[in-house]
Amino acid sequence: AQSVTQLDSQVPVFEEAPVELRCNYSSSVSVYLFWYVQYPNQGLQLLLKYLSGSTLVKGINGFEAEFNKSQTSFHLRKPSVHISDTAEYFCAVSVRGGATNKLIFGTGTLLAVQP
Amino acid sequence: DVKVTQSSRYLVKRTGEKVFLECVQDMDHENMFWYRQDPGLGLRLIYFSYDVKMKEKGDIPEGYSVSREKKERFSLILESASTNQTSMYLCASSRGDSGANVLTFGAGSRLTVL
Repeated sequence: AQSVTQLDSQVPVFEEAPVELRCNYSSSVSVYLFWYVQYPNQGLQLLLKYLSGSTLVKGINGFEAEFNKSQTSFHLRKPSVHISDTAEYFCAVSVRGGATNKLIFGTGTLLAVQP
Repeated sequence: DVKVTQSSRYLVKRTGEKVFLECVQDMDHENMFWYRQDPGLGLRLIYFSYDVKMKEKGDIPEGYSVSREKKERFSLILESASTNQTSMYLCASSRGDSGANVLTFGAGSRLTVL
């Protein structure tokens, strides 16, 4: 069964510092990978996705992620974070579930940006 | 510009009550999903639907049922609410059956069962 692991439940970082949020997945087949962000008291919204092609994917708000097939990883990075990036970040993998596809999410990483 | 609407942001119910959580999407999406979100556990899929009147169990369907009588509406039902169902419930929708399709989420419904 496909699964997603986010090892860091919380990542504190100072404003303007770089950050990396880690995500590893398990799959024996081709995968579609996603990062979603949840700001306080809001639903989730798409940050970026990897479907195929270039392994470096750019998303909104200056975030990017690199797909590494050999390490089964899809880590999220930002070179300089802002206070407004404080949110919970979820990595997800798309799997076939019956008649359609469904997303399996990791447990989330809370990014806490401090001034 | 709201596309997925969950009717209640906050609900407080008593143990044993029947609870309905409603979700409506205006994007003509075929697929709809119900997740619950708990600290440290992330999002877990309860049920999903790929067409009207069609439903499939997710990873944690016990204690829940769903209804999809119209394409735009997907209801989550707790037949007899229990305290361990206190959680944030998120509804989402997506188009077609491609794994590349993006989910659009509602703002969530926070349910407290006393």
